[in-house]
Amino acid sequence: GAGVSQSPRYKVAKRGQDVALRCDPISGHVSLFWYQQALGQGPEFLTYFQNEAQLDKSGLPSDRFFAERPEGSVSTLKIQRTQQEDSAVYLCASSLHPLRGGLRSYNEQFFGPGTRLTVL
Amino acid sequence: KNQVEQSPQSLIILEGKNCTLQCNYTVSPFSNLRWYKQDTGRGPVSLTIMTFSENTKSNGRYTATLDADTKQSSLHITASQLSDSASYICVVSAYGGATNKLIFGTGTLLAVQP
Repeated sequence: GAGVSQSPRYKVAKRGQDVALRCDPISGHVSLFWYQQALGQGPEFLTYFQNEAQLDKSGLPSDRFFAERPEGSVSTLKIQRTQQEDSAVYLCASSLHPLRGGLRSYNEQFFGPGTRLTVL
Repeated sequence: KNQVEQSPQSLIILEGKNCTLQCNYTVSPFSNLRWYKQDTGRGPVSLTIMTFSENTKSNGRYTATLDADTKQSSLHITASQLSDSASYICVVSAYGGATNKLIFGTGTLLAVQP
């Protein structure tokens, strides 16, 4: 496909269940990001991968959240023992180049449609 | 604390009219500022990006301005269409040394009515 895809698009879980959300980035994209978007809010950074390496996981809200990208392409975000406050849209984004710092550094991110997670 | 604030929270305009959305930020050091459009049930799509040395950037009927001194940006939409109905999110990239972080505003929800 031409864009970032995510599955499932919708997930309903009972409190305490484990869930796994999948992201297929654009082929060849080195960087992959996960964001959490609560209702009526902007996305908030969760974690960043450069190929298979998880370089930044500072945004993961608790140790119940775990992400992996074992072969440097598809990524999975896993949430264990889901809580009601985990209800949100989880967005995945990919970018062609590695994320770099610097005043003139720019790396366009392409977003997937998101997975809407509802925890009952 | 790095923050991005947008106003208004929501806006209703008639088709064909113009509108301007505002973004104020307290992000430092600043790297770049982006405007995204997010349709309901979709991921954000980039409209414009500006570095600190640019003060205006256009993309069709969308024109973004940036005043790096006052830390303000605006997104002007000309001759609005029904398809412009969406959330518009201002995103500021903070220069963080090894990697830059994106800081998202909460968005302005725009509804264009016939």
